[in-house]
Amino acid sequence: AQSVTQLDSQVPVFEEAPVELRCNYSSSVSVYLFWYVQYPNQGLQLLLKYLSGSTLVKGINGFEAEFNKSQTSFHLRKPSVHISDTAEYFCAVSVHAGKSTFGDGTTLTVKP
Amino acid sequence: DTGVSQDPRHKITKRGQNVTFRCDPISEHNRLYWYRQTLGQGPEFLTYFQNEAQLEKSRLLSDRFSAERPKGSFSTLEIQRTEQGDSAMYLCASSLGTYTGELFFGEGSRLTVL
Repeated sequence: AQSVTQLDSQVPVFEEAPVELRCNYSSSVSVYLFWYVQYPNQGLQLLLKYLSGSTLVKGINGFEAEFNKSQTSFHLRKPSVHISDTAEYFCAVSVHAGKSTFGDGTTLTVKP
Repeated sequence: DTGVSQDPRHKITKRGQNVTFRCDPISEHNRLYWYRQTLGQGPEFLTYFQNEAQLEKSRLLSDRFSAERPKGSFSTLEIQRTEQGDSAMYLCASSLGTYTGELFFGEGSRLTVL
């Protein structure tokens, strides 16, 4: 079975500052990794995904994440955040044949 | 482009009543998933279908929960004899059969059991 741990439940940051949201996973087999974002009163939408290949993946809205197999981590970063990035962010892992397992989320609050 | 739609968006019911939620996936997607989300938690897997076949069901899902996808298109999730602990957001997602893992979510159906 797979599991996901998001190390920070809440991350407050000032506008234009960099941010990192941390995600560790556990799995005995190779996995696919995802970050989803949920804006208030909206459904989850995909930010980025790692399936194979380059360990640095770029997503929408200027976000990127780096897959580190030895540390079983998939941290999300953005060099300069905007007010509009305020949302809930979820890290997820899946084995290619089935369901995704999600972390408990990190609330990113961007302050002016 | 029509996304995943869920109905109703909100449902308030009394303990002991039955409720049913409907999910219409993106039309070309043959996989459909149900998740449950409570406050402060991430989405928790309930069950998923490939076409009309239910391929996996969470052990956390009690016998009061049943899901169907009769023609491989829309799906329903029924909860019988609701309990206050069933109060949650029920999320539906769909994906392509050539599995890249990306899930497309609906906006969810919020259940409140009084």
